[in-house]
Amino acid sequence: EVQLVETGGGLIQPGGSLRLSCAASRFTVSSSYMTWVRQAPEKGLEWVSIIYSAGHTYYADSVKGRFTISRDISKNTLYLEMNSLRAEDTAVYYCARLRFSDWLHDSWGQGTLVTVSS
Amino acid sequence: QSVLTQPPSVSGAPGQRVTISCTGSSSNIGAGYDVHWYQQFPGTAPRLLIYGNDNRPSGVPDRFSGSKSGTSASLAITGLQAEDEADYYCQSYDSSVSGVFGTGTKVTVL
Repeated sequence: EVQLVETGGGLIQPGGSLRLSCAASRFTVSSSYMTWVRQAPEKGLEWVSIIYSAGHTYYADSVKGRFTISRDISKNTLYLEMNSLRAEDTAVYYCARLRFSDWLHDSWGQGTLVTVSS
Repeated sequence: QSVLTQPPSVSGAPGQRVTISCTGSSSNIGAGYDVHWYQQFPGTAPRLLIYGNDNRPSGVPDRFSGSKSGTSASLAITGLQAEDEADYYCQSYDSSVSGVFGTGTKVTVL
C-alpha cells in the first residue's frame, strides 16, 4: 500500500522559513505527479503546489514566489520550502499523489501542522 | 479562492437521503473535467469517496453516489448513518488555477 509521511511542521515566526518533507513508500516520487494541499484551522482544503513527473512546477497565487516544491530522487521524498511566512500560511499541510489524467488525489499523507505566529 | 461552491452544511435523520451540490463554471466542471469527492473526519486526512464523477473506490459503501451535469456535480448519501457525520469536499481541475477544491460541506446526522 502506498504511504506518504510528512514531517517538518512547527511553530515559526512571521517572515521565517520552514521546509516540509514528505517521504514516500511503495511508489516512485520522481515518476509521479505530486502535490501539496493545505487546510487552515476550521477552513477548507486549498491546493498549494504541484510538481510534474517531468519536473515542471506550478503554484497557487497565494504562495507564488515564496514557496518552492522539489523532490529528492535518492530519498524518494517530496519537499516544500516555505519562505517569508505569514500568519495566513498557518495550516495543516498534506502531500498527495496526483493521477494527472483526471487530477485525482489518490493517496494522502497524514499532514503536518505549520503555525506562523510571534 | 475556491471556485467550486458547496453548501456550508446539510443535515438529515438516520436513514434519510441527503445531497451535497458542487457548483462550478465553464473553466472547470463545465469544461468536462472530472469531479472527485473526499470525506474528512476531524483531525484526519481526506479520504477518497467518489472518483471520476460517479465511481466508488473499493471499500466505500454503496449508499454514497456521485453525479455530474453541466457546471455542477452532486454527492448523495442514501440511508444516512451516524458514522457519515463528517466534512465533504468536491475537487476538480480548473484551466485558470489548476487544482480546485470545493468550499466544503459539514454533514450532520440528527
